Amino acid sequence: QTVVTQEPSLTVSPGGTVTLTCASSTGAVTSGYYPSWFQQKPGQPPTTLIYSTSHRQPWTPARFSGSLLGGKAALTLSNVQPEDEAEYYCLLYYNGPYVFGTGTKVTVL
Amino acid sequence: QVQLVESGGGVVQPGRSLRLSCAASGFTFSTYAMHWVRQAPGKGLEWVAIISSDGSKKYYGDSVKGRFTISRDNSGNTLFLQMDSLRVEDTTVYYCVRDLDFWGQGMLVTVSS
Repeated sequence: QTVVTQEPSLTVSPGGTVTLTCASSTGAVTSGYYPSWFQQKPGQPPTTLIYSTSHRQPWTPARFSGSLLGGKAALTLSNVQPEDEAEYYCLLYYNGPYVFGTGTKVTVL
Repeated sequence: QVQLVESGGGVVQPGRSLRLSCAASGFTFSTYAMHWVRQAPGKGLEWVAIISSDGSKKYYGDSVKGRFTISRDNSGNTLFLQMDSLRVEDTTVYYCVRDLDFWGQGMLVTVSS
């Protein structure tokens, strides 16, 4: 069974930068996994931030950026704002089915 | 504007069946792949299934394969999830998602005796 692993939690100061990663148990994550990133705040459905590794949705602030880093998918939050405190999930494509990551709780403190 | 409205959830006994629907509006439904994603209370997201825009291709997550069936009615702009042999662990909120970009509000399914 494929497992996609993310950091359980990260803390960042307002105005700071933090990078979340997304690793696959099958090996290095490449663009062919079409990594997507989602943000979820308590009591709300998720919203899509990034698709196909690095493409922002029209509503995604420019401070969110996606990339590949050291064999993993990565989501970097720059100039972090208090409203960025949320759970973040990655999603990878496996030639048909998809698998979500375990999620990262980002705390802005 | 894009709207995805799930319905059909509720309480069902283990082993029974339930059919979820997702009514789509505000976009050309027949041109988008559609997903179901679920989330147990206090837990992470779990990808459930995808159906291609024309309904010809379907894929499922390991935990629902053989029990759940995704389908769509492009003339009625509706996505379905037929859930059979339901288990207690299928108790989650089910989200209808358009091509991984736009999410519905979700529908709670509770499997309990």
